[in-house]
Amino acid sequence: QQQVKQSPQSLIVQKGGISIINCAYENTAFDYFPWYQQFPGKGPALLIAIRPDVSEKKEGRFTISFNKSAKQFSLHIMDSQPGDSATYFCAATSGGYQKVTFGTGTKLQVIP
Amino acid sequence: DADVTQTPRNRITKTGKRIMLECSQTKGHDRMYWYRQDPGLGLQLIYYSFDVKDINKGEISDGYSVSRQAQAKFSLSLESAIPNQTALYFCATSDLIVGQRSNTGELFFGEGSRLTVL
Repeated sequence: QQQVKQSPQSLIVQKGGISIINCAYENTAFDYFPWYQQFPGKGPALLIAIRPDVSEKKEGRFTISFNKSAKQFSLHIMDSQPGDSATYFCAATSGGYQKVTFGTGTKLQVIP
Repeated sequence: DADVTQTPRNRITKTGKRIMLECSQTKGHDRMYWYRQDPGLGLQLIYYSFDVKDINKGEISDGYSVSRQAQAKFSLSLESAIPNQTALYFCATSDLIVGQRSNTGELFFGEGSRLTVL
């Protein structure tokens, strides 16, 4: 049972465009939603994260939008660059941060 | 040097063989994890440990065992490897300071161990 559903599985965006990755969750106990970025041959690394008491968080070109009532959240990458080409994982965790539940990942390719 | 080091980085083995993947960390974190990554399935938790005396099963622990030899070392074993255990394995660490609001449980991953079982 996939507790965090992520789409699309792959995404091709032109340089300068907007990349959008969507996630949905079922467990209302989740209270922290991080996104991880993974480059080929490397382990995932935390990119940006949000708590459900805010609807949006922006860090540079990366923005998380959060809709608590719909139990959905998304990552927007503005002005996408070839260096953003990576696999992105959404995730969710609940009180105590004991376990992180990951989505299935989105492989993003930004073409020049 | 990497904060979270996994060995070996690549391993090819045969069905039925015993395999151990090792993880060591210099971050001083108490919490350590083993994840498995498969295309289209994301990262699935195999085992996790919150301190040397604490070991917990994750979502997909069948066919795997772990040992927490010290705060800094956490190894994953496949007692009798099978082909569907072919995957990329990641070790991760995290820290949690009791009572601190800014805790995030951020995971710090190693670079992975690619295992192929023939």
